[in-house]
Amino acid sequence: QSVLTQPPSVSGAPGQRVTISCTGSSSNIGAGYDVHWYQQLPGTAPKLLIYGNSNRPSGVPDRFSSSKSGTSASLAITGLQAEDEADYYCQSFDTSLSGSVFGGGTKLTVL
Amino acid sequence: QVQLAQSGAEVKPPGASVKVSCKASGFTLTNYGISWVRQAPGQGLEWMGWISAYNGYTNYAQKLQGRVTVTTDPSTSTAYVELRSLRSDDTAVYYCTRLPRNYYYYGMDVWGQGTTVTVSS
Repeated sequence: QSVLTQPPSVSGAPGQRVTISCTGSSSNIGAGYDVHWYQQLPGTAPKLLIYGNSNRPSGVPDRFSSSKSGTSASLAITGLQAEDEADYYCQSFDTSLSGSVFGGGTKLTVL
Repeated sequence: QVQLAQSGAEVKPPGASVKVSCKASGFTLTNYGISWVRQAPGQGLEWMGWISAYNGYTNYAQKLQGRVTVTTDPSTSTAYVELRSLRSDDTAVYYCTRLPRNYYYYGMDVWGQGTTVTVSS
């Protein structure tokens, strides 16, 4: 059971918009710690997708965006493409555990 | 080119130890931290621990305390994770990741390719 809660799966048709939620608590997201998102394509290592709640590293398309509010964060993907089919993980820091924590991951299926 | 290159796959019997390496290139290791994350087959990501390569500070996941050690060798720009008293549920892909100094804000910005560790008799 992960400290951060994500839906196991989401799906959408090409061109559509999907969102993935990440729910934490007062000891992690709610304590003010930043949320990061990672994309893991099948058979590959995860890649940093969003850092500091809402910032995209160089090379990440602006179709990917995210926000944070209270004890939750949300990743949005617009203009879905087949290549977006992957697992997505949120991550933050937990002061009670004194370490980084991940969500359980969300599998995105492009229909 | 900034990258982290990990050592090859390992197969170990239960009770043994394993040490995985992670060689940094394209940046100065002592300006960053290194964390280790593992992923059991078909499962999500699990943070194991990290080391500050600039001051040697370490911190480990409570679940692994006493069994895991993370070290660095600045002379070879290499980080290591050692896991002892291996069990079958330690079977996973192990990743090293780079942590900028303000990693609370920047996250894990570079990942190694992963090392498969299989615990089996």
